[in-house]
Amino acid sequence: DGGITQSPKYLFRKEGQNVTLSCEQNLNHDAMYWYRQDPGQGLRLIYYSQIVNDFQKGDIAEGYSVSREKKESFPLTVTSAQKNPTAFYLCASSRDPGTSSYNEQFFGPGTRLTVL
Amino acid sequence: AQSVAQPEDQVNVAEGNPLTVKCTYSVSGNPYLFWYVQYPNRGLQFLLKYITGDNLVKGSYGFEAEFNKSQTSFHLKKPSALVSDSALYFCALLNAGNNRKLIWGLGTSLAVNP
Repeated sequence: DGGITQSPKYLFRKEGQNVTLSCEQNLNHDAMYWYRQDPGQGLRLIYYSQIVNDFQKGDIAEGYSVSREKKESFPLTVTSAQKNPTAFYLCASSRDPGTSSYNEQFFGPGTRLTVL
Repeated sequence: AQSVAQPEDQVNVAEGNPLTVKCTYSVSGNPYLFWYVQYPNRGLQFLLKYITGDNLVKGSYGFEAEFNKSQTSFHLKKPSALVSDSALYFCALLNAGNNRKLIWGLGTSLAVNP
């Protein structure tokens, strides 16, 4: 099956711990994205990457970090600096994010992070 | 500034009735608009998009959307609602600048009652 996988589905973290959320895609997409979803706030972009070894901050990058060492993988680390990390995290990917593209994004199933 | 709005937090319809989920946008250039659906505790699924051409766009699961430039709207429609259509619906506007990011509405919760 082609698609995007996120693991784990549920994650519990103690305050002060860093955690890493996995996102893998086998769609051969160039661009990948991380969003945070909170009730009533829609989707907010954390980080995005348009090509391997390059990524940019989104609207709410503080307290998060990413890497893009492989085309297929875009892990997100939630650091202890993120003050309110409890949320639903969604990873997405899309083809060819060039300036002439209008490609839709494909989403993974999400990871629900809870800070205890 | 570019923005997208979904004026209704929740929409309730009876099964078999037509449904409309509203979306309005603001953009200085050409609008590129998307609709997504999210079922509980799941990721988003792409329904349809408007880039150019016909104002009526057909998408997945029997959904369609009507682009109206004069009213700056892109409402999602379905002629006959199913209980299984109950979900959260998001409208999004593509930032046509270099970063190609999506600007998201806050979502509309659709409840289809049997």
